[in-house]
Amino acid sequence: EAGVVQSPRYKIIEKKQPVAFWCNPISGHNTLYWYRQNLGQGPELLIRYENEEAVDDSQLPKDRFSAERLKGVDSTLKIQPAELGDSAVYLCASSLGPGELFFGEGSRLTVL
Amino acid sequence: GENVEQHPSTLSVQEGDSAVIKCTYSDSASNYFPWYKQELGKRPQLIIDIRSNVGEKKDQRIAVTLNKTAKHFSLHITETQPEDSAVYFCAAMWDTGFQKLVFGTGTRLLVSP
Repeated sequence: EAGVVQSPRYKIIEKKQPVAFWCNPISGHNTLYWYRQNLGQGPELLIRYENEEAVDDSQLPKDRFSAERLKGVDSTLKIQPAELGDSAVYLCASSLGPGELFFGEGSRLTVL
Repeated sequence: GENVEQHPSTLSVQEGDSAVIKCTYSDSASNYFPWYKQELGKRPQLIIDIRSNVGEKKDQRIAVTLNKTAKHFSLHITETQPEDSAVYFCAAMWDTGFQKLVFGTGTRLLVSP
């Protein structure tokens, strides 16, 4: 069974540039999460989807971050424009419901 | 708001010793407490979890205990091995209409041969 797939694995951009991350969850998992993990810290939730509906985006900085999950499967997370403080690993996870989250390998963003 | 505190931030043990990591949570409505292991540059992976209707759960060398009254839970690893070296994260889930999983800050465990 394929796990959660994320791309790109690594991205280096200059500040003020846009960047997008893509996530393909485990087949059949209706719940999808985007977390941000800063160096030496635990993952922090940015947004959670139930199918195509964003049910918790209270931690998403909406002035520069956006996310979508149009058909309730794949999801993209966009940052525009990126700032130095956005450097982090962006983790996507999926689950069947309340319980175990399955994480992707993450997308490491470096903003110069 | 919801908060999970985790201690210690770093833990060094000798191979064969036991390791204990402790977490406290702020919201008594929390009902699910997983532990994730993250090796360097890898994804977090679930190693054990416990729900609020259970006080203890064991799986081979690892165990988790939950004290709902004190709002804390702990991870116990016995007979540690070098491959146990990783960062361990506790988490707590709040079921407030929508389930929200909040992570602790992590414990870096180093097991020396």
